[in-house]
Amino acid sequence: DTGVSQNPRHKITKRGQNVTFRCDPISEHNRLYWYRQTLGQGPEFLTYFQNEAQLEKSRLLSDRFSAERPKGSFSTLEIQRTEQGDSAMYLCASSPHGGQGATEAFFGQGTRLTVV
Amino acid sequence: TQLLEQSPQFLSIQEGENLTVYCNSSSVFSSLQWYRQEPGEGPVLLVTVVTGGEVKKLKRLTFQFGDARKDSSLHITAAQPGDTGLYLCAAPTGTASKLTFGTGTRLQVTL
Repeated sequence: DTGVSQNPRHKITKRGQNVTFRCDPISEHNRLYWYRQTLGQGPEFLTYFQNEAQLEKSRLLSDRFSAERPKGSFSTLEIQRTEQGDSAMYLCASSPHGGQGATEAFFGQGTRLTVV
Repeated sequence: TQLLEQSPQFLSIQEGENLTVYCNSSSVFSSLQWYRQEPGEGPVLLVTVVTGGEVKKLKRLTFQFGDARKDSSLHITAAQPGDTGLYLCAAPTGTASKLTFGTGTRLQVTL
């Protein structure tokens, strides 16, 4: 399977704990995005990488959130001191750079975070 | 912030019925995409429309991009239970081509 892979699929954590999610994009895609989706809503953009460079961050991404993409391959999203409001589905997507397909995003299955 | 409004929010129909979902905005887009998302899964791209007035067909699904590239519709003919899901329109924005998603239409097709 060469699609976008996210781990873990589900995470339950206590408020105040730190969590880290991993995304493995499609191998030839150099663009990687993180989105957050709450129940009943469409996904909202969090941050974007082109190769290893984090080029854009949403104001939704508070200082408790940090994302990395070392070596321009997989990416991690860490949330420190989790709050109940962080409960959501965290989606990773990748897309190729350039060409007509550059705007088309391929999503992983997501990581559902529940903060109790 | 560009806002994509979808209607209706919820739709519950019986197998065999036809339906149309709308995606509207006051902004002009270079292209627009439709995704379908099942519970607990990520969105799956159905189609990208690029040209104003463009019509694309995907089996029983027909997608149209408005002439002014501000709106789009998705029409499903003879809906089946397998069509059940959350339908999202989305438009790429900015240099990063990040997607701005619509508010979503939740479709349920029953036997």
